Amino acid sequence: DVKVTQSSRYLVKRTGEKVFLECVQDMDHENMFWYRQDPGLGLRLIYFSYDVKMKEKGDIPEGYSVSREKKERFSLILESASTNQTSMYLCASSLGAMNYNEQFFGPGTRLTVL
Amino acid sequence: KQEVTQIPAALSVPEGENLVLNCSFTDSAIYNLQWFRQDPGKGLTSLLLIQSSQREQTSGRLNASLDKSSGRSTLYIAASQPGDSATYLCAVHYTGTASKLTFGTGTRLQVTL
Repeated sequence: DVKVTQSSRYLVKRTGEKVFLECVQDMDHENMFWYRQDPGLGLRLIYFSYDVKMKEKGDIPEGYSVSREKKERFSLILESASTNQTSMYLCASSLGAMNYNEQFFGPGTRLTVL
Repeated sequence: KQEVTQIPAALSVPEGENLVLNCSFTDSAIYNLQWFRQDPGKGLTSLLLIQSSQREQTSGRLNASLDKSSGRSTLYIAASQPGDSATYLCAVHYTGTASKLTFGTGTRLQVTL
């Protein structure tokens, strides 16, 4: 079974802090994704990566950056956390094949910025 | 605009009932469609993926169908159980969108005793 893990289930940070969210997958997937999920807004894509050191902006990249130095690990960085970044953050991965890209999700990180 | 819609937003049924969840999408040019389950405060669990060339997929009590021409997919749950209570999301991989999925906002299902 594909396993996607996230470094924390719950995280509380203060405004202005630099925040790192880590995601690791164990199935040698090429693609990795970061989403945030908010009530009434659904899942929104922040960034995705289709290879090591490659990244593309999603629908809401402002205020975030990412890093993918190794294939299995994809990090989401909040350079200066703000209260409007309080949310549920979900990481996912999938194979690179365009016609078969079933996404597998991690358990999520509930981030609260005070 | 490529969108995904799920109606109703919430559904409550008694245990044992067969039920259908609906998903509609705006463009028939898709690679595939995926159904997920999400329990409160948790991540998404992949239930079924249907390729654009397929009409349906089955897993246990779940059956998902796909009709590209009408822009619809349904998730059929047979003999519902309280443990099926969760939010069900569908997501479409539209062609020309790299590997990105477009998600619906989900149907929150409650199965009562």
